[in-house]
Amino acid sequence: QITLKESGPTLVKPTQTLTLTCTFSGFSLSTTRVGVGWIRQPPGKALEWLAFIYWNDDKRYSPSLKSRLTITKDTSKSQVVLTVTNMDPVDTATYYCAHSVYSTSYYVGYWGQGIPVTVSS
Amino acid sequence: SYVLTQPPSVSVAPGQTARIPCGGNNSGSKSVHWYQQKPGQAPALVVYDDNARPSGIPERFSGANSGNTATLTISRVEAGDEADYYCQVWDGSSEQRYVFGTGTKVTVL
Repeated sequence: QITLKESGPTLVKPTQTLTLTCTFSGFSLSTTRVGVGWIRQPPGKALEWLAFIYWNDDKRYSPSLKSRLTITKDTSKSQVVLTVTNMDPVDTATYYCAHSVYSTSYYVGYWGQGIPVTVSS
Repeated sequence: SYVLTQPPSVSVAPGQTARIPCGGNNSGSKSVHWYQQKPGQAPALVVYDDNARPSGIPERFSGANSGNTATLTISRVEAGDEADYYCQVWDGSSEQRYVFGTGTKVTVL
């Protein structure tokens, strides 16, 4: 049974750095063609992918946010960490951790419950 | 960058068929995946690889993809199908790896 759970602050101030941790179970991030990443959803808006890290340590970032994002993994702890620098009120959203696998292309097979993050002074 | 366009809303009566289009340039050459998101919940996969269903998803959910449009079809719609639906493609040749559609709210009348 695959599960993912997000943890981190739910309130950050503008210009601060957000650090989110995804702790997962039921799979290994060293398994070929598996990735774990982050997708966010502002209130009332659509899903937006942020970053993924793959079994081979390949890292991919959304081009529009690339300069502000860093994703890392600790396979032994079954954790993936996302940092987002210089937070702004427009970054207010629910942040989801996601498990992605490749069949004919990558898709998200499992999602965390999400963590709401508000950016406000 | 690649864009997937969905109608904001689709309304359907119980027992009828809902069809949700997802338009993208030459989408037929890509694999399209679909997610259902109920209010206050995380999204959940309902169709992957154009027309495959994960374990536990009813046969009422089906997908097709050709030309510039992918379509999620929900047959014999039930009240519990009311949700937002998102399509998604993955483009390994560009930096915009995961592209999500704009989302469609399905309302069961």
